[in-house]
Amino acid sequence: DIVMTQTPLSSPVTVGQPASISCRSSQSPVHSDGNTYLSWLQQRPGQPPRLLIHKISNRFSGVPDRFSGSGAGTDFTLKISRVEAEDVGIYYCMQGAQLPYTFGQGTKLEIK
Amino acid sequence: QVQLVESGGGVVQPGRSLRLSCAASGFTFGSAGMHWVRQAPGKGLEWVAAIWDDGSSKYYSDSVKGRFTISRDNSKNTLCLQMNSLIVEDTAVYYCARWGPFGDIDYWGQGALVTVSS
Repeated sequence: DIVMTQTPLSSPVTVGQPASISCRSSQSPVHSDGNTYLSWLQQRPGQPPRLLIHKISNRFSGVPDRFSGSGAGTDFTLKISRVEAEDVGIYYCMQGAQLPYTFGQGTKLEIK
Repeated sequence: QVQLVESGGGVVQPGRSLRLSCAASGFTFGSAGMHWVRQAPGKGLEWVAAIWDDGSSKYYSDSVKGRFTISRDNSKNTLCLQMNSLIVEDTAVYYCARWGPFGDIDYWGQGALVTVSS
């Protein structure tokens, strides 16, 4: 199984300031079709997960452009350019290249 | 808009069975693979099972293989998860999720809570 490791596990941020979350995979999440299936999910308190970014850097429908994803190989990053209060929650990276799909432990974003 | 609504959760004793359903709408259900993902209380996400759009292939995590069965009825736009021989460690919110056209899991339901307790 591909192991996903996120850092940090907790991130206190001031509103209006940037935030960054890292995700490292034990092997590259490249599918046989050539795509890298690395996604970022947001889970607000009491809510189901919501897809933010797919295939490393593609924002999903309706996702604000303050969210961006980057990376290659086994190292990936989610960045929020200017954190807003509604961004509070837990962020997960996920690999969808091979079954079983696996998730990072989650990074809790909170407002200072 | 895509909607996924789970039902069938509840409290069940260890060793018993429970069947979850997921009603899908807002997209062509028969053209989409589907997943079940669970989340134990206060914990992270764990992928459970997946099924292809036509139901011809099914996949399971090692933790549920042999006990859980994923199925679908494309005529009723419904995904199911039959859970047998339940153990305390199966206690979780179970999410139904769509295998989107980009090849990623894109939409998630609100979840159904399953509590296994004596």
